[in-house]
Amino acid sequence: GDSVTQMEGPVTLSEEAFLTINCTYTATGYPSLFWYVQYPGEGLQLLLKATKADDKGSNKGFEATYRKETTSFHLEKGSVQVSDSAVYFCALKQPNFGNEKLTFGTGTRLTIIP
Amino acid sequence: GAGVSQSPRYKVAKRGQDVALRCDPISGHVSLFWYQQALGQGPEFLTYFQNEAQLDKSGLPSDRFFAERPEGSVSTLKIQRTQQEDSAVYLCASSLGTSGNTIYFGEGSWLTVV
Repeated sequence: GDSVTQMEGPVTLSEEAFLTINCTYTATGYPSLFWYVQYPGEGLQLLLKATKADDKGSNKGFEATYRKETTSFHLEKGSVQVSDSAVYFCALKQPNFGNEKLTFGTGTRLTIIP
Repeated sequence: GAGVSQSPRYKVAKRGQDVALRCDPISGHVSLFWYQQALGQGPEFLTYFQNEAQLDKSGLPSDRFFAERPEGSVSTLKIQRTQQEDSAVYLCASSLGTSGNTIYFGEGSWLTVV
């Protein structure tokens, strides 16, 4: 079955550092790929997505590129802020109509220190 | 309402008790999902509704778990004869259409079985 593997956390960085959170997937076909973020005390929110190979999703300074050849969707940000402290989840969804199930990774907790 | 609303936010149940968790999706949203998130893990799919029809219940872990959405809006997840391994956060999510739309998550119902 489909699966998503994320780098283990927690990750602690200083403000303005460069961030990479690795995500690889195993799936048949051409799934859509997502990054969700969960801020303290809030529900999961969609951060960015990409629906086909070589697409780049971006939002709030975060970027991730869909790499079919390495089955990866690594999350990057050039300069993190304290407000980026949260848990980040990589996820995939198959494009089949009626199959709306998201498959998530285990999450990576990110803490940014001033 | 403005977002997906879940109740109760916190529930402590004695082993063997039945529990019911409620989800109010965003008004007008056709699709509704339930996920289970154990401590330190990513959300795991339980079931999916399109209006009142339960199209996928492949993730329900046992026949003690039952979900319904009788009028195509509010949904209830019922867990009978709760066991300690049922302790988790139960997340509800909804989306406007049936495919390709952003999925919005609620803050979850935290269930602890003692």
